Amino acid sequence: QKEVEQDPGPLSVPEGAIVSLNCTYSNSAFQYFMWYRQYSRKGPELLMYTYSSGNKEDGRFTAQVDKSSKYISLFIRDSQPSDSATYLCAMSANNAGNNRKLIWGLGTSLAVNP
Amino acid sequence: DTGVSQNPRHKITKRGQNVTFRCDPISEHNRLYWYRQTLGQGPEFLTYFQNEAQLEKSRLLSDRFSAERPKGSFSTLEIQRTEQGDSAMYLCASSQPNTGELFFGEGSRLTVL
Repeated sequence: QKEVEQDPGPLSVPEGAIVSLNCTYSNSAFQYFMWYRQYSRKGPELLMYTYSSGNKEDGRFTAQVDKSSKYISLFIRDSQPSDSATYLCAMSANNAGNNRKLIWGLGTSLAVNP
Repeated sequence: DTGVSQNPRHKITKRGQNVTFRCDPISEHNRLYWYRQTLGQGPEFLTYFQNEAQLEKSRLLSDRFSAERPKGSFSTLEIQRTEQGDSAMYLCASSQPNTGELFFGEGSRLTVL
C-alpha cells in the first residue's frame, strides 16, 4: 500500500460546480498537509497548507484534514475553466522545513468545462 | 525577482550523451531542491542543498547524476551517459528555512532518444 493514495481521475465538471478532491494516507505521524496545483508543462504551485486537523479557507478554496480518518480534502467552489489543472496532495510528518521528506500523491487531473 | 528559473526548458538528446540543467532559485532562499517527475506521478525527491552544502541525496540519484551549488546561489544538475529511463521533467524548487512552502520552477523536460 502506498503511503498516500490519490485518485488520478480525470475529473470533468461543468463551470460553477463544487469540486471535491481527496487523498487518503496510512502514516498517522503525518501532521503537515499541502495541496499543490500544477498546470500542464509547469511546475507545481502551493495552494493550501494546513497543520494537523481542521479546515482552512482561502477564497474559493477550502482544505480539510481529518486525522482520525487519515483523509484530506480540497474543495473548490464556483469552479472556473482556469481551475483546470492537476491537483497534488503532499504531506510530511516532520517539521515544516523538512520538504525533502514530503510524500506526494499522484495528482488528480481536473477539467472544468465552460 | 520573478521566481525560480530553470533552463533549458526542454532538452532532447541521444542516449549516452551528457546533459546539464541549471536552476536559479529565489534570491533570498537558502534551500534548493531537485525533483524528478514523470507523467502521471508526483514529484520524486532527488537532492537538497542548504546554501552550498548538499545535505541529502535520494537513492534514486545514481552515480550518473551529480548536482552542485558552488556559491550557494544557482545550482546545476548533470546527467552523464543518459538512458531512455532518464526521460522526465526535472523540477527545481527553493524555500526559506523552516517553512513548508516550496517554490517550483517551470521545470526542464528531458527527452532521451
